[in-house]
Amino acid sequence: GAVVSQHPSRVICKSGTSVKIECRSLDFQATTMFWYRQFPKKSLMLMATSNEGSKATYEQGVEKDKFLINHASLTLSTLTVTSAHPEDSSFYICSAEGTTYNEQFFGPGTRLTVL
Amino acid sequence: AQTVTQSQPEMSVQEAETVTLSCTYDTSESDYYLFWYKQPPSRQMILVIRQEAYKQQNATENRFSVNFQKAAKSFSLKISDSQLGDAAMYFCAYTIPASKLTFGTGTRLQVTL
Repeated sequence: GAVVSQHPSRVICKSGTSVKIECRSLDFQATTMFWYRQFPKKSLMLMATSNEGSKATYEQGVEKDKFLINHASLTLSTLTVTSAHPEDSSFYICSAEGTTYNEQFFGPGTRLTVL
Repeated sequence: AQTVTQSQPEMSVQEAETVTLSCTYDTSESDYYLFWYKQPPSRQMILVIRQEAYKQQNATENRFSVNFQKAAKSFSLKISDSQLGDAAMYFCAYTIPASKLTFGTGTRLQVTL
């Protein structure tokens, strides 16, 4: 149980285009989901906390107009990178909060490359 | 602000041997949770073990165990009978109820034959 999927696993796009990444909790309902960014050989950096039915809470320094987060249902959160630039190239990971122990279950990640 | 410190950027262990990864944290909270996550080359984050701060007993999951020293704010991970599949980045993490995870900087574990 407690499986989180992410789609796509890899995406390559041109500079200036927008990319949407989906995060789904497959066998449980997640009121809260999180979006992280991870640079090579670095730790996870929290970008935002997504709560179902309400606006996301962004961490300091994260541009909310560039990284649009929508949590429309208890099993789906989306991250849209708008007007992507090469510096947005990174590994993006989502997680969903379980119902016990404040545990987070992580998706497999999405590698975004912006040309 | 809560911080999590992993002072060992890299560790190496021989197959079948035991290795301990260190983690310290700073908090003024009394109710919190600690975790060790493993990130293999696939980059999928996998929960290894969790510890509730109110529990005095150290958590154990098969070959993985922790040494939780609450007063010292220390939470080390011991891996016994190391296997090649244990090679990965290991992240220590902290959270309080209804809050976000705070991760350490990670320790890269190599397992040699």
